[in-house]
Amino acid sequence: VTQNPRYLITVTGKKLTVTCSQNMNHEYMSWYRQDPGMGLKLIYYSVGAGITDKGEVPNGYNVSRSTTEDFPLRLELAAPSQTSVYFCASSARRTNYGYTFGSGTRLTVV
Amino acid sequence: QQQVKQSPQSLIVQKGGISIINCAYENTAFDYFPWYQQFPGKGPALLIAIRPDVSEKKEGRFTISFNKSAKQFSLHIMDSQPGDSATYFCAASIGNFGNEKLTFGTGTRLTIIP
Repeated sequence: VTQNPRYLITVTGKKLTVTCSQNMNHEYMSWYRQDPGMGLKLIYYSVGAGITDKGEVPNGYNVSRSTTEDFPLRLELAAPSQTSVYFCASSARRTNYGYTFGSGTRLTVV
Repeated sequence: QQQVKQSPQSLIVQKGGISIINCAYENTAFDYFPWYQQFPGKGPALLIAIRPDVSEKKEGRFTISFNKSAKQFSLHIMDSQPGDSATYFCAASIGNFGNEKLTFGTGTRLTIIP
């Protein structure tokens, strides 16, 4: 699972996109944010191309899944509260191997 | 609302000792309980998982104990080694393969000292 960029600093109100791609033909893809002491919170997930659904903390974020491989995360109006580490993950629909996570994107909104 | 509660937040264990991390869940519909291991600067990786039809699962030095009536499960790391120092997350989900929405605990930072 490849996420880009690894590090990003932006200003409040800016629009930005974090890309995520996988070449394992996984049906399921998800975006999580990780804040210190808070674990990982699900933002959005997708069970296949053209299908997305909200997770626990979707406000301020948007996603699309036009292909099996790609699942970009968009912040329409970046806010300081969105400063976090973001992880993209993918999984086959029928597997006991769990999710494969990307290496993370550290986002700072000033 | 925290559906999966994890404790302790941090844990220091001597090399060769047993590390124990506990989790409790609220949603009785959960039927897949994985543990993920995360090293600094990396994404989490699946360590071991259990379904509620068994009370224990062992893989090498790692064991999950599951108590369905108490809605609790725990990770035991036997003969803990410095290389086990990492953050551990329990999680839970619904579904045959648990590969849809995962709900994570808050994490335990484990440090193994020589």
